[in-house]
Amino acid sequence: DSGVTQTPKHLITATGQRVTLRCSPRSGDLSVYWYQQSLDQGLQFLIQYYNGEERAKGNILERFSAQQFPDLHSELNLSSLELGDSALYFCASSVKAGANVLTFGAGSRLTVL
Amino acid sequence: GENVEQHPSTLSVQEGDSAVIKCTYSDSASNYFPWYKQELGKGPQLIIDIRSNVGEKKDQRIAVTLNKTAKHFSLHITETQPEDSAVYFCAATDSNYQLIWGAGTKLIIKP
Repeated sequence: DSGVTQTPKHLITATGQRVTLRCSPRSGDLSVYWYQQSLDQGLQFLIQYYNGEERAKGNILERFSAQQFPDLHSELNLSSLELGDSALYFCASSVKAGANVLTFGAGSRLTVL
Repeated sequence: GENVEQHPSTLSVQEGDSAVIKCTYSDSASNYFPWYKQELGKGPQLIIDIRSNVGEKKDQRIAVTLNKTAKHFSLHITETQPEDSAVYFCAATDSNYQLIWGAGTKLIIKP
């Protein structure tokens, strides 16, 4: 157990739907990152929050949004889902805002049918 | 901006042999270079990292070397074991101190 908790572990939904993925960072970590990993692909950085504020944005689609709450947990919202959104979504946390040791969760596997 | 290239994409070695994975980066200001291991069905996990003021770092069977002049760094695994089979990712920092990731290397250890 890495200390980063992601729910749900698996999610199957239909095209056009909306889903929310949740992440609780490791205790003491202020920064949360979201990554997308499609089948046999690398890690695509989506967005980073630090202590409730958006710090960096990667290749995140306009259909996707995220936020970090006062208790530091984060949610990634995916809307108007398409088949190509099927992927593993990882959350990672770190103590600092800049690049340092990231602790990843086990991921949420999203399947869009 | 920063670009990180990782080679090879797949590496198959005999158990007990050594494995080397190489990454090159483009931003000479990069100063932090971690390596992550992703086992099947799990999230990536940091296995070793190096900062730009160090040329080499070792941790048991794993070592990382950094050549700042050539802008490349490598992961070396000696005496490979079945549990080393995984996907390995390198990364380097960009000017905003964000990690830019390589595409990953699938390491296969043959018995």
